Amino acid sequence: QSALTQPRSVSGSPGQSVTISCTGTSSDVGTYDSVSWYQHRPGKAPKLMIYDVSRRPSGVPDRFSGSRSGNTASLTISGLQAEDETDYYCCSYAGSYTWVFGTGTTVTVL
Amino acid sequence: QITLTESGPTLVKPTQTLTLTCTFSGFSLTTRGVGVGWIRQPPGKALEWLALIYWDDDQRYSPFLNSRLSITRDTSKNRVVLTMTNMDPVDTATYYCAHSLLTRYSIYDYWGQGTLVTVSS
Repeated sequence: QSALTQPRSVSGSPGQSVTISCTGTSSDVGTYDSVSWYQHRPGKAPKLMIYDVSRRPSGVPDRFSGSRSGNTASLTISGLQAEDETDYYCCSYAGSYTWVFGTGTTVTVL
Repeated sequence: QITLTESGPTLVKPTQTLTLTCTFSGFSLTTRGVGVGWIRQPPGKALEWLALIYWDDDQRYSPFLNSRLSITRDTSKNRVVLTMTNMDPVDTATYYCAHSLLTRYSIYDYWGQGTLVTVSS
């Protein structure tokens, strides 16, 4: 059960869209509709942004959206804002009551 | 409002046992569908899921650390305790506890700020 693979960093200008990929296997991302995304500012508690692949918790801006194709899930941030600059992690249920996290991606707003 | 706070030693020696406490408020760990999990992050590395305890006291562990972990709860004090035996320097990490909610499968929707544990002699 290896960590899900994310790009180390992505960047975009304010107002643009960026997409973070999260690649797993048919044993996790590809099988279970249980991918979540977290925004993590250093020293702070991670914040849930997306769950069950594409559902948004109340209070999360609709600029954040999630999707999945095969073994890869994606988080898209539309209308990028300066406050979106931080780290993002994906997480997938991996069967047998286990979960696996992604390697993490740093979003930079240019 | 759901809050979780991790507490425990900041420094442990190799081979010692680590005991971490998660004190929470804003929910009951006896409510169906609710759980509390532990996740850690070594410096510069990915998050790693460790354990989860459910509302019915069902306990689940990472298969990679199963033999070293124990998760228990005290519902009267709103606390969850994680113990990890035979600590090693590679276990140096920030340890987080998180509220878990059963949707399709469990998700971790509220997290504590974490506590950094260093393993060194």
